Order: sequence, then C-alpha cells, then structure tokens
Amino acid sequence: DVKVTQSSRYLVKRTGEKVFLECVQDMDHENMFWYRQDPGLGLRLIYFSYDVKMKEKGDIPEGYSVSREKKERFSLILESASTNQTSMYLCASRRGGTTYEQYFGPGTRLTVT
Amino acid sequence: QKEVEQNSGPLSVPEGAIASLNCTYSDRGSQSFFWYRQYSGKSPELIMFIYSNGDKEDGRFTAQLNKASQYVSLLIRDSQPSDSATYLCAVNSNSSASKIIFGSGTRLSIRP
Repeated sequence: DVKVTQSSRYLVKRTGEKVFLECVQDMDHENMFWYRQDPGLGLRLIYFSYDVKMKEKGDIPEGYSVSREKKERFSLILESASTNQTSMYLCASRRGGTTYEQYFGPGTRLTVT
Repeated sequence: QKEVEQNSGPLSVPEGAIASLNCTYSDRGSQSFFWYRQYSGKSPELIMFIYSNGDKEDGRFTAQLNKASQYVSLLIRDSQPSDSATYLCAVNSNSSASKIIFGSGTRLSIRP
C-alpha cells in the first residue's frame, strides 16, 4: 500500500512566520506535488517535483517555495505566512508515466492569524 | 476553456438509484482518466481509472470513456448515503508526463 504522510494535520501560525510543511512517501515515486484546496476553488497545484532537486511551478506558486533533497521527501515552505494562505494543503505522489494514479496524503489544515 | 470540466452540483439522488457523474476534457491526446472521491475534510482517494474506450466496472462503480467525444463518466449503482461526497475527475497531462489535471469536482448527495 502506498503511503503518503504529512507532518501535521492542523497547524496555526502567525502572519510573517516562516512555515514548513513536510511530506514523505514510501513507494519510491518520482513525482511529488503540493496543492492547496479552498472551498469553491478545487485543487490548485502550487509546485511539483519530478526528481530529486528538480521542481516546477504549478498554477499558484507565488508566496511559496519547495525543497526536494531526497526522493521520498518534499517540503513546502511559506517564506512569510499571510492570512490568505490559510487553507488545506495536500501533498501527493505519483510514479512516472502517463498511466499511473496519484496518491494523496491526509492534508494539513493551516490557519494563519 | 478549462482543461477538465465538471458540473459542480450538488447532484441529489435518492438512495438506491443510479448516480451519474460527467466530465469533459479538452486535450484529445489524453490517455489516462481517473475518478477520485473526496469526503468533506478528507483527502481525495482513487476509486476508478480507465484507459480504453468503453465501460469498466468495479463493484457498484462503472467508468465510461468516449475519447471521440472527449467525455468520461462515472455511474454509481444502488447509491448509498455513504456515497455522498465530492467526486473529482482527473486526466493525465500531455504537456507534462508528471502531472494529472483535476476537475473542480461534483458534489453528490444521496438522500435516504
């Protein structure tokens, strides 16, 4: 069974803080993704990584950065948290190739006050 | 035009009836199609995938694909209250082998 874990289920941070969200997958997947999900807006891709140290911007990368130093771990960084980054953050991983499905972690609900 | 389009709903279906969820996609080159279910406050989970034209059945779920019409659907037979969730359609991206493109989801409500 594929397992994608995220470091926190709930997180409360203050405006201006630097925030790290960690994601780990145990199935040696090449691709890893960070999304945010807000009511009425669906899943929005922030960044993804297709290999160690490789990353690409998604649809809404502004205000975020990522790090992938090891294949199993993909971190999302909010350099200076703002209230409009309050959201559900979902990590996912996927094997390389067009036919493979994507597996999601349980999500981190981040509140920025 | 969105790459993957779904009616947001809510779609209300009586218990025991067939729920029909629809999705259209814009890229004719797409090859892989997925349906995810997401309960409120939870992350999406895969329930079906389909690659070839026609029907694919798995228990109470049937995925249907028509590549000529760029249309994929999910049928849920004998709908149960536990099927009440948001259903996300997803399609592989031709511009990036890594990515899957998600629709915004259809909210399904099964009324007892």
